[in-house]
Amino acid sequence: KNEVEQSPQNLTAQEGEFITINCSYSVGISALHWLQQHPGGGIVSLFMLSSGKKKHGRLIATINIQEKHSSLHITASHPRDSAVYICAGRRGGKLIFGTGTRLQVFP
Amino acid sequence: DGGITQSPKYLFRKEGQNVTLSCEQNLNHDAMYWYRQDPGQGLRLIYYSQIVNDFQKGDIAEGYSVSREKKESFPLTVTSAQKNPTAFYLCASSGTDYGYTFGSGTRLTVV
Repeated sequence: KNEVEQSPQNLTAQEGEFITINCSYSVGISALHWLQQHPGGGIVSLFMLSSGKKKHGRLIATINIQEKHSSLHITASHPRDSAVYICAGRRGGKLIFGTGTRLQVFP
Repeated sequence: DGGITQSPKYLFRKEGQNVTLSCEQNLNHDAMYWYRQDPGQGLRLIYYSQIVNDFQKGDIAEGYSVSREKKESFPLTVTSAQKNPTAFYLCASSGTDYGYTFGSGTRLTVV
């Protein structure tokens, strides 16, 4: 079992839809990062969470420490949101990455 | 603006040749990391350095080497001992706030 697991692997949506990507992680992970990777390959850090909820524009990230689960939500999705979204757990100064969720939003 | 610069973006090398990938940051971050990404897999840690003149092996260090002579720079050498070097390589750094900054990556193809 991977230490950080994401679902779904692939996601397609129509513009305007509400999107949720899920991430489950194992014991010992102290914080969760959500990252966005565009087709060119560069990665942008979206959120870092150790508790509660964070919001930035149309993106919302939540974490439930007891259940070891985090979600990334995108409201009013847009084609420019198309990317790979990666969750990564921090353990002892290192990140453990999920395999990513490929999101395609169609107009 | 502060950030991480990786160069080159694309690199082609013949089998058996060593190649060095550059990673420079101007964020004053102490920690730097090298990751490898293969299709369908999560990023895997090759080497990391938490302070100048010190570095540790990650999960897949075999066939790679690094140096950390300056805080700003953490070059990665892919040696001829690496059996399957064709991949996408990402450099990252982190500071005291534990936030991470990633470079734009180098795509290495060995022919």
